Amino acid sequence: DAGVTQSPTHLIKTRGQQVTLRCSPKSGHDTVSWYQQALGQGPQFIFQYYEEEERQRGNFPDRFSGHQFPNYSSELNVNALLLGDSALYLCASRGGREGGSEQFFGPGTRLTVL
Amino acid sequence: AQSVTQPDIHITVSEGASLELRCNYSYGATPYLFWYVQSPGQGLQLLLKYFSGDTLVQGIKGFEAEFKRSQSSFNLRKPSVHWSDAAEYFCAVGDNAGNMLTFGGGTRLMVKP
Repeated sequence: DAGVTQSPTHLIKTRGQQVTLRCSPKSGHDTVSWYQQALGQGPQFIFQYYEEEERQRGNFPDRFSGHQFPNYSSELNVNALLLGDSALYLCASRGGREGGSEQFFGPGTRLTVL
Repeated sequence: AQSVTQPDIHITVSEGASLELRCNYSYGATPYLFWYVQSPGQGLQLLLKYFSGDTLVQGIKGFEAEFKRSQSSFNLRKPSVHWSDAAEYFCAVGDNAGNMLTFGGGTRLMVKP
């Protein structure tokens, strides 16, 4: 079992550009969440996808958008990048949205905005 | 709104000594509580979780945590720390189904030989 995988590992962009990050959930998982972890801070919830729809959203602007595909993989898109978007972006997956199931995290994508 | 506070940013303990990492949470109902560990360059690994039932929960790697509703706390403990335990530790509270996790700022643990 490969667990949660994310690509790319690292990414460097300039202000104003757009970026797409990808996540493949753990086998058997159908729910994907995205988190942003700035340097020296705890992760912050961006949004969660289930059945190809955004189900919950944290306090992030509309520049952050996502998508979930029929195979449960997911993309995080960030438009009009700002310096403050530099962070580690973590993807987490779980089986369903009911209480009690564990979220498994991927290794993250390190985004640097110059 | 739910929130988590980890009062200790850095903690240094000697190998073999006991460890307690503090976590205080704010949540209106019965919380879903978690402790995660993050090693450099790694994602988050779940150490243990509390949903209901026994307030003392056992986790992996010899860790345990105790839920105290009256103190809104969920402190992580380990009786004897190993050098490999050096890492960043995060406490988190989940919404009513554990979907949206709110994390504390983390505690960086250093282990002296």
